[in-house]
Amino acid sequence: DVKVTQSSRYLVKRTGEKVFLECVQDMDHENMFWYRQDPGLGLRLIYFSYDVKMKEKGDIPEGYSVSREKKERFSLILESASTNQTSMYLCASSGDRGGNQPQHFGDGTRLSIL
Amino acid sequence: TQLLEQSPQFLSIQEGENLTVYCNSSSVFSSLQWYRQEPGEGPVLLVTVVTGGEVKKLKRLTFQFGDARKDSSLHITAAQPGDTGLYLCAGVRGNTGKLIFGQGTTLQVKP
Repeated sequence: DVKVTQSSRYLVKRTGEKVFLECVQDMDHENMFWYRQDPGLGLRLIYFSYDVKMKEKGDIPEGYSVSREKKERFSLILESASTNQTSMYLCASSGDRGGNQPQHFGDGTRLSIL
Repeated sequence: TQLLEQSPQFLSIQEGENLTVYCNSSSVFSSLQWYRQEPGEGPVLLVTVVTGGEVKKLKRLTFQFGDARKDSSLHITAAQPGDTGLYLCAGVRGNTGKLIFGQGTTLQVKP
């Protein structure tokens, strides 16, 4: 089974802090994604990556950056955390750029910015 | 801008009832996926529909993809408490592998 592991289930940080969310997948997938999930809004794509050292902006990239130095690891960075970034963050991976293969999700990181 | 409208957002029904969740868009998708998410976990794929007019069945769940590949529905027959969860539709955007998600439908099935 594909396993996508997010480093923290719950995280509490303060406004202005630099925050790192880590995600690791074990299936040698090329594609990795970061979403945030908010009630009534579904999942919104922040950033994605098709290969090592490659990244592309999703629909809501402002205030975020990403890093993909190794194929299995995709990190989401909040450069200067703000309260409106309090949310559930989900990482996903897939092996098919064509999109018909499923995305495999981690269990999420619930991030609170105080 | 949300391109995929999912309805209803909340549904609370009794065990044994039938229900339908709708996913509508003005955009054409190359395929559409349905996911189910339980509390504390990430979404898990239920089905992918690819061809316009396609119907797929997964036990008591029936998924349809509209002829024009702009809309989809999920019908659950004789709902059970184990069906409780958040159901998400997601359209595949062209050949990019990116998904656009609907807002989700929170289903509660009471025994």
